[in-house]
Amino acid sequence: SQQGEEDPQALSIQEGENATMNCSYKTSINNLQWYRQNSGRGLVHLILIRSNEREKHSGRLRVTLDTSKKSSSLLITASRAADTASYFCATVLLYSGGGADGLTFGKGTHLIIQP
Amino acid sequence: ETGVTQTPRHLVMGMTNKKSLKCEQHLGHNAMYWYKQSAKKPLELMFVYNFKEQTENNSVPSRFSPECPNSSHLFLHLHTLQPEDSALYLCASSPRTSGIETQYFGPGTRLLVL
Repeated sequence: SQQGEEDPQALSIQEGENATMNCSYKTSINNLQWYRQNSGRGLVHLILIRSNEREKHSGRLRVTLDTSKKSSSLLITASRAADTASYFCATVLLYSGGGADGLTFGKGTHLIIQP
Repeated sequence: ETGVTQTPRHLVMGMTNKKSLKCEQHLGHNAMYWYKQSAKKPLELMFVYNFKEQTENNSVPSRFSPECPNSSHLFLHLHTLQPEDSALYLCASSPRTSGIETQYFGPGTRLLVL
């Protein structure tokens, strides 16, 4: 079942503006991760935020996590044309017995940066 | 550039064909994954392998058969597929287990079933 759900589904902004994407999830998580996918390619990990963290920064990226609302946001500041991609949040499923964990993804936000 | 490679990058097959997708990771990881990405649907986890042992089969039809001969290689054997199986198949790896793991994805195999 779908765990993460991004909002908006699509976002178009001008280069230089900030882009904000939101993610909501349903069940308790260990951590939440954001990935980027350029058209038809593999996913690239951007940032991971643990359930006991509220905010994290990496370069032009800022991620927040509100576990009480089961939501996260990804902010990209000073956007560039190269930021055009789909962005996904993913949460970690926990299997019994300590087995490897698969990620549960949302449908993603398609971000277009207009030059 | 990631340390996870997938071959082939594109594949067209008929419903009666048998083909295999290959994934190789050069990162020394112990866990490997297959995901399916269809148009307008979220990525779906298909299979999880941890130290070569399958730990998850996410209700995938038997026409998809995974194989993990060692921690560096993962295969997805395909037979008698349906057109709705057309999708991007992504392989990923992670160091190991237990929750706090970034996954590293390959570029994917774009599969078209005719």
